[in-house]
Amino acid sequence: DTEVTQTPKHLVMGMTNKKSLKCEQHMGHRAMYWYKQKAKKPPELMFVYSYEKLSINESVPSRFSPECPNSSLLNLHLHALQPEDSALYLCASSHTGPTPDTQYFGPGTRLTVL
Amino acid sequence: KNEVEQSPQNLTAQEGEFITINCSYSVGISALHWLQQHPGGGIVSLFMLSSGKKKHGRLIATINIQEKHSSLHITASHPRDSAVYICAAGGGATNKLIFGTGTLLAVQP
Repeated sequence: DTEVTQTPKHLVMGMTNKKSLKCEQHMGHRAMYWYKQKAKKPPELMFVYSYEKLSINESVPSRFSPECPNSSLLNLHLHALQPEDSALYLCASSHTGPTPDTQYFGPGTRLTVL
Repeated sequence: KNEVEQSPQNLTAQEGEFITINCSYSVGISALHWLQQHPGGGIVSLFMLSSGKKKHGRLIATINIQEKHSSLHITASHPRDSAVYICAAGGGATNKLIFGTGTLLAVQP
């Protein structure tokens, strides 16, 4: 199984809502990533988890709150978002360690903030 | 100046043509990744390479570590190859990727 799944596929939320994005993989990967991608732009790294611990936070606003409850699951909790946060949110996973590894990407959640 | 630069930004080709996309990077890397993204779709990893050349079907990726340059070639291009191709410099224990700006390829029948 080389699949990363993400739910939901689409999400529309108001600026006062609280919602969560979910990502799951069963490849035994111990590194998981959240990316934000705006239209016609490359992905921007938001967070990296390594062995279920947050290892990189790319100065992301606190209205985005990541969580890694176990080695297969990665959540992104959303609260009080702004319309400019509308984007495609991609999750990825890979092995960790001294040798480089391929990142496997999920299909993304397309988020619209009204 | 971006740490990872791609050229061209846009490329239109006729079916059957040989296509080359270039990537230059200024950072130290563990590996150079080539990724493909279809419109509205997720990202698929095509290659990860740290030296030499790799081939998969009609796709070939090369890297010159000394010159910090990589190329992605598509032979006998087909309309289904139409997508955005992104190169990314990878490094560190967390496998962090630094992305290029992408090349939008359109292959016309």
